[in-house]
Amino acid sequence: DAKTTQPPSMDCAEGRAANLPCNHSTISGNEYVYWYRQIHSQGPQYIIHGLKNNETNEMASLIITEDRKSSTLILPHATLRDTAVYYCIVRRAGFGNEKLTFGTGTRLTIIP
Amino acid sequence: GAVVSQHPSRVICKSGTSVKIECRSLDFQATTMFWYRQFPKQSLMLMATSNEGSKATYEQGVEKDKFLINHASLTLSTLTVTSAHPEDSSFYICSARDLYSGGLGVTQYFGPGTRLLVL
Repeated sequence: DAKTTQPPSMDCAEGRAANLPCNHSTISGNEYVYWYRQIHSQGPQYIIHGLKNNETNEMASLIITEDRKSSTLILPHATLRDTAVYYCIVRRAGFGNEKLTFGTGTRLTIIP
Repeated sequence: GAVVSQHPSRVICKSGTSVKIECRSLDFQATTMFWYRQFPKQSLMLMATSNEGSKATYEQGVEKDKFLINHASLTLSTLTVTSAHPEDSSFYICSARDLYSGGLGVTQYFGPGTRLLVL
């Protein structure tokens, strides 16, 4: 699976949009981009995933560049509860490829 | 959404004893579950893949005789840490894949984790 690169930490003001970047320059055509977050002392929480089109759900939006070498997770109106470590993970499609390799992620701190 | 539970949420045990951790998928069936370990200030590390009705697949460097995994049903997997030692103290997290979710964009759902402290 392709390796991802994320900034180690970011701050965002409460109520503003939080934009978390991820580079995955070696991604291949059948690999999905997944985002999870982990609030302190809890299990990771699934946020969103996508292949090449932009995706949106009730939690966030995922913007994937046309060349698929990078993506941005957008939390539109950050709250204090969004403070967590955010992981960008690339995984091949299909059964038998469910392994998720967690990197170090981005520690997002929402500032009141 | 899909819910995965773990029991216990935290456990303290004496060195040399065995500890069993349960992972349950509450509202879906999971043929495959995963066990992770996370040390303080570190990321999650996959320990093993648990398949219902068959032997688990362990990652390199994980002792299968020390970390026993049983996946007896489509909703339950257990991890037993045998002869636990202080260096086994960690945060153990399981995840499960929904049997009926699409293979291409399949999603794993994680349990809340179990904090193990071995004295």
